Amino acid sequence: EAQVTQNPRYLITVTGKKLTVTCSQNMNHEYMSWYRQDPGLGLRQIYYSMNVEVTDKGDVPEGYKVSRKEKRNFPLILESPSPNQTSLYFCASSPNRGVETEAFFGQGTRLTVV
Amino acid sequence: GNSVTQMEGPVTLSEEAFLTINCTYTATGYPSLFWYVQYPGEGLQLLLKATKADDKGSNKGFEATYRKETTSFHLEKGSVQVSDSAVYFCALSGSARQLTFGSGTQLTVLP
Repeated sequence: EAQVTQNPRYLITVTGKKLTVTCSQNMNHEYMSWYRQDPGLGLRQIYYSMNVEVTDKGDVPEGYKVSRKEKRNFPLILESPSPNQTSLYFCASSPNRGVETEAFFGQGTRLTVV
Repeated sequence: GNSVTQMEGPVTLSEEAFLTINCTYTATGYPSLFWYVQYPGEGLQLLLKATKADDKGSNKGFEATYRKETTSFHLEKGSVQVSDSAVYFCALSGSARQLTFGSGTQLTVLP
């Protein structure tokens, strides 16, 4: 089954404790991205990747890191999480760079930083 | 930069009522326009899309027409069902391939 898989689905952590949210897709897509969803703000892009070893900042990159060592994986790293990073996170992938191409989303990771 | 303005929610309707969710956008160039739906506890999934002016996207009884003159992409359905209860997001994809989302509209349909 074609899918984007995120782990974990739920995470509660303490301020300053490094964490990684994994994202994997099995559709051989070149483009992958991370979004955060906050009430009243919709989804905002954190980082994106056009292909292996190619990443760039989205609209809200502060406090996050990413890497793209393999085509299928695009982990999101929070080196020192803070309470304002409490949010619902989504990973997405799409097959090419065309503007008409739809994105496929994972089921989301709900992160709480206390 | 690109932006999407979406009708504020929440919206509560009775089953079989007519639905409209307004969406307007600001963008340079020739964006593609999308409606995504998020059911409880799930990720977003594409509902419909339109890639050029005057295109009409449709799926599952939902429709939206890409209106360049009014920069709008309003979502409509003639008769909603309880199973349509979800959050609906309008989005555009511009030249940088980045999706820009509206704030989302929570729809609840009562039996």
